[in-house]
Amino acid sequence: QVQLQESGPGLVKPSETVSLTCTVSGGSIGSYYWSWIRQPPGKGLEWIGYIHYSGSTKYNPSLKSRVTISVDTSKNHFSLKLSSVTAADTAVYYCARPRHSGSPYYVMDVWGQGTTVTVSS
Amino acid sequence: QSVLTQPPSASGTPGQRVTISCSGSSSNIESNTVNWFQQLPGTAPKLLIYNNNQRPSGVPDRFSGSQSGTSASLAISGLQSEDEADYYCAAWDDSLNGWVFGGGTKLTVL
Repeated sequence: QVQLQESGPGLVKPSETVSLTCTVSGGSIGSYYWSWIRQPPGKGLEWIGYIHYSGSTKYNPSLKSRVTISVDTSKNHFSLKLSSVTAADTAVYYCARPRHSGSPYYVMDVWGQGTTVTVSS
Repeated sequence: QSVLTQPPSASGTPGQRVTISCSGSSSNIESNTVNWFQQLPGTAPKLLIYNNNQRPSGVPDRFSGSQSGTSASLAISGLQSEDEADYYCAAWDDSLNGWVFGGGTKLTVL
């Protein structure tokens, strides 16, 4: 059974870049489109973007200028970098995998437990 | 503001049937299937319904989904206390070329 585990710094200062990693265990990172999704405190879910194991990416236009998602197949993990963070970026960040490989259109059915990022000086 | 529109709250008593609506547009719900997630406090979202009306293994048949035009709905019959949670709809959006979510509906079991 594949499992996802997010990791990151927890606390980031405004204007800095936050880096998060999602480690995939119990399965290969190959063939899938892997997503990052976030949830601000008390609010709904927002899709950030996805990456294919080959390295191709697609980002939410609302965050595109500040987001970079990358993949390291040798380590079976993928990462999110969000630059120039503000308090509005404070959220729980989830990584997720779709039900089937080969397309980003399949809904995500495997989620990590989430990692909290707080932006504060 | 979320791309998909849900009522912020819903409620029912044990045993009742409740429905939660999700409204979208031609670029998401009308042209792609709708999915529903259940989120218990402090946990990650759990896929409840996919492809409008399909249940993943382990999801009780008390949960059902439907879609028509630019709207979709989630129905929960035989309401139980453990159904108290936040519920989110989600769909692929052809304009965004990515995923969009509803703002979530908090279900209270009275």
